[in-house]
Amino acid sequence: ETGVTQSPTHLIKTRGQQVTLRCSSQSGHNTVSWYQQALGQGPQFIFQYYREEENGRGNFPPRFSGLQFPNYSSELNVNALELDDSALYLCASSLPKGQTGTGELFFGEGSRLTVL
Amino acid sequence: GQSLEQPSEVTAVEGAIVQINCTYQTSGFYGLSWYQQHDGGAPTFLSYNALDGLEETGRFSSFLSRSDSYGYLLLQELQMKDSASYFCAVEGNTGFQKLVFGTGTRLLVSP
Repeated sequence: ETGVTQSPTHLIKTRGQQVTLRCSSQSGHNTVSWYQQALGQGPQFIFQYYREEENGRGNFPPRFSGLQFPNYSSELNVNALELDDSALYLCASSLPKGQTGTGELFFGEGSRLTVL
Repeated sequence: GQSLEQPSEVTAVEGAIVQINCTYQTSGFYGLSWYQQHDGGAPTFLSYNALDGLEETGRFSSFLSRSDSYGYLLLQELQMKDSASYFCAVEGNTGFQKLVFGTGTRLLVSP
């Protein structure tokens, strides 16, 4: 177990709705990343937060947004949900780049979102 | 852009050795990582290669050849619990920790 917890574990929404997913990072980790994993595929990078600032973003539209709080926990918000947003959303915490030689990410078990 | 290709599925029996290959196209990266993911579970880190050559961690070993744009994960003394999906991933030299994951290989270990 990595110490990264995510909530909710499962949720169902309809097209056009908004969703907020939450993540508590492992103790001592101040960097949080979010990934989207469609069924049968590898995770895809959405964005990363470091010290409450977004410091990197993948190829996702602006309706995907996030926050990081002073305790390093994080939220992923998705507006105007589309059917293709149905996926497993993974949060990963890590030490800052340079503090670990491997760049190891510690993933939570994810929030499975179904959009109908 | 970056892309990593893996075989979709590999099957083996308990006690055997299996190799999962990863070929990639990327302009530059820091290292190649491997993650294991059981159905319904979180991806967990297995191994990392920053330099060419073999890295050994218990029953698992990983290899990287930058000149061949190729790496592999070697699993020895297979156990039933090794049945899972395995992903290779590269960390690009973007200045932040972004991993680009491969397509994933589903390993099925039978008795």
